[in-house]
Amino acid sequence: SYVLTQPPSVSVAPGQTARITCGGNNIGTKSVHWYQQKPGQAPVLVIHYDTDRPSGIPERVSGSNYGNTATLTISRVEAGDEADYYCQVWDASGDHWVFGGGTKLTVL
Amino acid sequence: EVKLAESGGGLIQPGGSLRLSCAASGFTVSNNYMSWVRQAPGKGLDWVSIIYSGPTTYYADSVKGRFTISRDTSKNTLHLQMNSLRVEDTAVYYCARVQQGDAFDIWGQGTMVTVSS
Repeated sequence: SYVLTQPPSVSVAPGQTARITCGGNNIGTKSVHWYQQKPGQAPVLVIHYDTDRPSGIPERVSGSNYGNTATLTISRVEAGDEADYYCQVWDASGDHWVFGGGTKLTVL
Repeated sequence: EVKLAESGGGLIQPGGSLRLSCAASGFTVSNNYMSWVRQAPGKGLDWVSIIYSGPTTYYADSVKGRFTISRDTSKNTLHLQMNSLRVEDTAVYYCARVQQGDAFDIWGQGTMVTVSS
């Protein structure tokens, strides 16, 4: 089955740029989606189809996907960005929907 | 407003059964792909099952043969019938709408299922 690998944690100072990676075999050939989850809350879709922002998501949140790595980038990080972030793809070979293990973003 | 609301969670003994429900508002369940995703305490997201706008369904290997996803079009509601429950099924269960069969764009608030003796 398809595996997505994320770093367990990323730390960044306010105002700096956070980059969260999601590794997978030829992930660049798949559509990658990203979710933000704050404690006690349901996940929220923040990036879909590699680079697109759903309505209401600020422009400082962006995504890219190439080769074996997809990346979620959050510019000008704020305290309110502190959360867990998950990448996700559809694995057509097995008709399974796969999540990465999640990355905890800490704002220093 | 587009919204999902789960119900039916609770404490159940190993080997028992439970039926979760997810009431949708603002859109029609039968016209969309719908899914269940769970999250064990302190762990990450884990896809459980999906039902297409037609009859097609898929399940994670860990629940195949024990869980059944279905929908009630008259009540605009999604269900998850869970049988032969195991301790490792303990989790918050979320229902979600699946955008174009790919991304989970709308999520409910979740319902907690605890399997314990």
